[in-house]
Amino acid sequence: DVKVTQSSRYLVKRTGEKVFLECVQDMDHENMFWYRQDPGLGLRLIYFSYDVKMKEKGDIPEGYSVSREKKERFSLILESASTNQTSMYLCASRLDRGRYEQYFGPGTRLTVT
Amino acid sequence: ELKVEQNPLFLSMQEGKNYTIYCNYSTTSDRLYWYRQDPGKSLESLFVLLSNGAVKQEGRLMASLDTKARLSTLHITAAVHDLSATYFCAVDRGEKLTFGTGTRLTIIP
Repeated sequence: DVKVTQSSRYLVKRTGEKVFLECVQDMDHENMFWYRQDPGLGLRLIYFSYDVKMKEKGDIPEGYSVSREKKERFSLILESASTNQTSMYLCASRLDRGRYEQYFGPGTRLTVT
Repeated sequence: ELKVEQNPLFLSMQEGKNYTIYCNYSTTSDRLYWYRQDPGKSLESLFVLLSNGAVKQEGRLMASLDTKARLSTLHITAAVHDLSATYFCAVDRGEKLTFGTGTRLTIIP
């Protein structure tokens, strides 16, 4: 069974704080993804990574950065959190580009006050 | 820019009834996925549709893909309460997925 875990289920941060969201997968997947989910907007891709130390911008990368130093771990960083980054953040992984299915983590609900 | 539209956004159905959720997308793709999300939970993969005319069935759910019409449907047969959830379609753009806005389905006894 593929397992994707995220470091926190709920997180409350103040405006201006630096925020780290961690995602770990245990199936040696090459590709990893960060999405945010907002009511009425579905899931939107923030960043993704094909391999260690590689990253690509998704559809809404502004205000975010990522880090992938090890294959199993993909971190999402909010350099200076703002209230409009309050959202549900979902991490996903996929075996490689030739495999289609993405497996999702449980999500982190981030509130920025 | 690829747009993926689902309708309806909200659906209340009585148990035992049939209904269809529609997923339209704006540019060519021959791969589409359906996911289910329960409240407070993550996304669970339901169907992977990889070619025009693909049809997949699991229990009371059946998904199909018409790439020429750029349309996928998720059909629910004889709905039961356990199917209450939010359903998302996602279109494969090769490197990434673009998700629809989701359909919140509520099955009423």
